[in-house]
Amino acid sequence: DVKVTQSSRYLVKRTGEKVFLECVQDMDHENMFWYRQDPGLGLRLIYFSYDVKMKEKGDIPEGYSVSREKKERFSLILESASTNQTSMYLCASSLLTGFRNEQFFGPGTRLTVL
Amino acid sequence: DQQVKQNSPSLSVQEGRISILNCDYTNSMFDYFLWYKKYPAEGPTFLISISSIKDKNEDGRFTVFLNKSAKHLSLHIVPSQPGDSAVYFCAASGMGRGDKIIFGKGTRLHILP
Repeated sequence: DVKVTQSSRYLVKRTGEKVFLECVQDMDHENMFWYRQDPGLGLRLIYFSYDVKMKEKGDIPEGYSVSREKKERFSLILESASTNQTSMYLCASSLLTGFRNEQFFGPGTRLTVL
Repeated sequence: DQQVKQNSPSLSVQEGRISILNCDYTNSMFDYFLWYKKYPAEGPTFLISISSIKDKNEDGRFTVFLNKSAKHLSLHIVPSQPGDSAVYFCAASGMGRGDKIIFGKGTRLHILP
């Protein structure tokens, strides 16, 4: 079974803080993704990575950056958290490149920015 | 501009009956469609997918139908079971490597006893 774990289930931060969300997958998947889920908006892709040290912007990358130093780990960074970044953040991985392939999601991190 | 639309935020269906979840898309370049299911406090899980070269794909109780001319797809669950109560997301992707995935807003399905 593929397992995708996220470092925290709940996180509360203050405006202006630097925030790190960590994601680890244990199935040697090439591809990793970060989404945010907001009520009435569904899932929106923030960033994704097809390989170590590689990253590509999704649909809403503004205010975020990512890091992929090791194949199994993909970090989402909020350089200076703002209240509009309060959301559920979901990490996913997939074996094959491209978005047609089944993605395996972590349980999510609910981030509140005060 | 919503490219993938799930116009019903919620749907209630009696246990044992058929559940039909609908999804419309506007981008004719989409050629691959996926359905994910999400329980509260868990990440989404992949359910079923369909390529645009097909008009139907079946997996157990789940069938997805694609009507390309109408830019419409639907997920049928027969028979509906209590464990099917969840949020269902429709998603679409294009052919090119640069094409990403677009999710709909989701439909919450309630299976009534």
